[in-house]
Amino acid sequence: GENVEQHPSTLSVQEGDSAVIKCTYSDSASNYFPWYKQELGKRPQLIIDIRSNVGEKKDQRIAVTLNKTAKHFSLHITETQPEDSAVYFCAASRGFQKLVFGTGTRLLVSP
Amino acid sequence: EAGVAQSPRYKIIEKRQSVAFWCNPISGHATLYWYQQILGQGPKLLIQFQNNGVVDDSQLPKDRFSAERLKGVDSTLKIQPAKLEDSAVYLCASSFRTSGTPDTQYFGPGTRLTVL
Repeated sequence: GENVEQHPSTLSVQEGDSAVIKCTYSDSASNYFPWYKQELGKRPQLIIDIRSNVGEKKDQRIAVTLNKTAKHFSLHITETQPEDSAVYFCAASRGFQKLVFGTGTRLLVSP
Repeated sequence: EAGVAQSPRYKIIEKRQSVAFWCNPISGHATLYWYQQILGQGPKLLIQFQNNGVVDDSQLPKDRFSAERLKGVDSTLKIQPAKLEDSAVYLCASSFRTSGTPDTQYFGPGTRLTVL
């Protein structure tokens, strides 16, 4: 089955810096890669997703890149703000098969 | 639109007791998911329904966990008997589509279960 690895487990940056979180997946047939943000005690919320027919997707300060050959995808946050502090999860699935989540990255943005 | 509703929000039980969780998905969403999120880990899918049929329950401990989705809307997840390792947040999520391109899964607030 699918296995998703996520790095780093924690990431501390200064406000205004960029943050990059990386994930690798094992199933070459996976074609859907969402990223979720989970604030302390809150529900996970989708922030961006990418499908395997696209190499990069941007939404304001957030971007995701996908390398199908290497089976890895990354989340890029530019101009970080304190409100970006949260746990970020990557995930992967093959179509409507189960979504497999990574172990999470705790991002701390210091003012 | 109203989000995914779950109840209760918190539950404390002793081991070997039983417990049930309820989920009401977003109106019109055909697919419903139950996840278990242990502290410090990512959500793990327990069971996935499309309408009222089970699509994937490969990670559901069937000797103690059961779930149903009557009439393709609300769903309940039951644990009987509970073990200490069942302490976790149980998240319900729903999505609109059942085929084609996967779409956004919307999560409920979760039920935090503590087994003593």
